[in-house]
Amino acid sequence: SQKIEQNSEALNIQEGKTATLTCNYTNYSPAYLQWYRQDPGRGPVFLLLIRENEKEKRKERLKVTFDTTLKQSLFHITASQPADSATYLCALRMTTDSWGKLQFGAGTQVVVTP
Amino acid sequence: DAGVIQSPRHEVTEMGQEVTLRCKPISGHDYLFWYRQTMMRGLELLIYFNNNVPIDDSGMPEDRFSAKMPNASFSTLKIQPSEPRDSAVYFCASSLGSRAEGNQPQHFGDGTRLSIL
Repeated sequence: SQKIEQNSEALNIQEGKTATLTCNYTNYSPAYLQWYRQDPGRGPVFLLLIRENEKEKRKERLKVTFDTTLKQSLFHITASQPADSATYLCALRMTTDSWGKLQFGAGTQVVVTP
Repeated sequence: DAGVIQSPRHEVTEMGQEVTLRCKPISGHDYLFWYRQTMMRGLELLIYFNNNVPIDDSGMPEDRFSAKMPNASFSTLKIQPSEPRDSAVYFCASSLGSRAEGNQPQHFGDGTRLSIL
C-alpha cells in the first residue's frame, strides 16, 4: 500500500542550528513533492515544491532535496529561529493520480529554543 | 489579498443534526479542495472541484457527506446526519490550475473545527 512517513517525534533544536526533516514514501511514483508549514489553529501554508527531475530547491533559509531512488525528501531549515517552530508537512502527487490529488504526511513538529 | 475564507470557525452540534461548512476561495482560482484533519488520520483530501465541477470525490467517507460548488466564489460541505466520528478540523483550499505542469501550490483557509456531541 502507499505510505508517506515523516518523523513522528518532535524535533527540538537550538536557535541558529540547522533542522533537518525527512519525508519517506513507498509505492509512489510522485510527479512532485511539496512542503507546507502549519501553525496551531491555522491551515497549512505552502513553502516549496520540487519536481521529480530536480535534485535540490532553495528558498531563503530553506532547502529541499528529492531523491527518487531512495524515495526520500529532506527539508532543511538553516540558521533556525524560534519563529520557525511549527509542524512541517510533506505532500506528494502520484503521476497516476488526478491532477489535484495531494497526499500528505502526518507532519513533524519542530521546536526551536532560544 | 484576501485568502481562502471559511465559516464558521467553530461548530458544536449534536449527533444527527445537519452541518454545513462554507468556503470562499481566492478570486481567480479555478480549483477548490476540501480536506479533513484528525490526529489519527492526518490531513485527508475529501473532494476537489475544477471550474465548479467535482473531479475526484473518492475521499468522501460516505453518503452522509456531500459537497457543492454553485459558482466560482462559493462552496459548501454538508454532513447529514452528523455523527461523533465526524469531529475534526475541515479545511478548504484553492489553487490555480496548470494543465502543463500540474504543480501549483494550494492555499488553505484556517479551517472549521467541528465537534459532534
